[in-house]
Amino acid sequence: SQQGEEDPQALSIQEGENATMNCSYKTSINNLQWYRQNSGRGLVHLILIRSNEREKHSGRLRVTLDTSKKSSSLLITASRAADTASYFCATPNYGGSQGNLIFGKGTKLSVKP
Amino acid sequence: DSGVTQTPKHLITATGQRVTLRCSPRSGDLSVYWYQQSLDQGLQFLIQYYNGEERAKGNILERFSAQQFPDLHSELNLSSLELGDSALYFCASSVGWGDTGELFFGEGSRLTVL
Repeated sequence: SQQGEEDPQALSIQEGENATMNCSYKTSINNLQWYRQNSGRGLVHLILIRSNEREKHSGRLRVTLDTSKKSSSLLITASRAADTASYFCATPNYGGSQGNLIFGKGTKLSVKP
Repeated sequence: DSGVTQTPKHLITATGQRVTLRCSPRSGDLSVYWYQQSLDQGLQFLIQYYNGEERAKGNILERFSAQQFPDLHSELNLSSLELGDSALYFCASSVGWGDTGELFFGEGSRLTVL
C-alpha cells in the first residue's frame, strides 16, 4: 500500500529557481527519507530526517518534517539542469512488517537551462 | 557507484518464460530488498531478506520467488511471465533494517516481456 504521496507529480522550472516538492504520509513514522532517481537509473539517497527533527539541511537541499500534519517538503535551492530527476519520499513500512521502505510515486523535476 | 551490482542490465523474453535476476549487495550489508518499478504502479516493494532469511514480504506475486544465499547475494526468480511483468527491477541493500537507515540501490534490471 502507498504510504507517501508526492506533490506535484511534475514540476518544470528555470535554472536558478527554487524547487519545492511535498510528501504526505498516512501513519506515524520515526523517520522519512528522500531519494533521487535520474531517468532509468537506480535511486540515490539524499537525506533522512527523524521524527524529532523539524528541519535538516544538506548542501542546497532543505527538508522539513511536520509530524502533526504528516507531511514533509524538499526544497532545492538555486536549481541546476543537473537536478533534473525524479524525487521520491520514503517512509518505513509499519503496515504489518518492519524493516523496509515504502516509496511514493515521485515528483518529476525538470530544470531548464 | 552504490556498490550494489545487478545483472543482467537488460533482458528481453517471451510470455510464459522464466528469468532469474541477480543482485550482489554492498560489502558488509546484510539486508537485501527487491523493488519493482513500472510506470503505472510506481516503485513497489517486493521482498526483503536479512542475513539469509526472509524478513518481509510486500506485493510479490506467487509466480515470483527470491532467496538470499550464504554469501549474501540474492536472486529474484520470475516465472510464467506476463506482459504486465515488464518493468525495472531494483535490488537495494542496507546494513540493518531499511526503516532506520538509507538503502543503496543497484542500477536495476530492465525486463521486457514480449
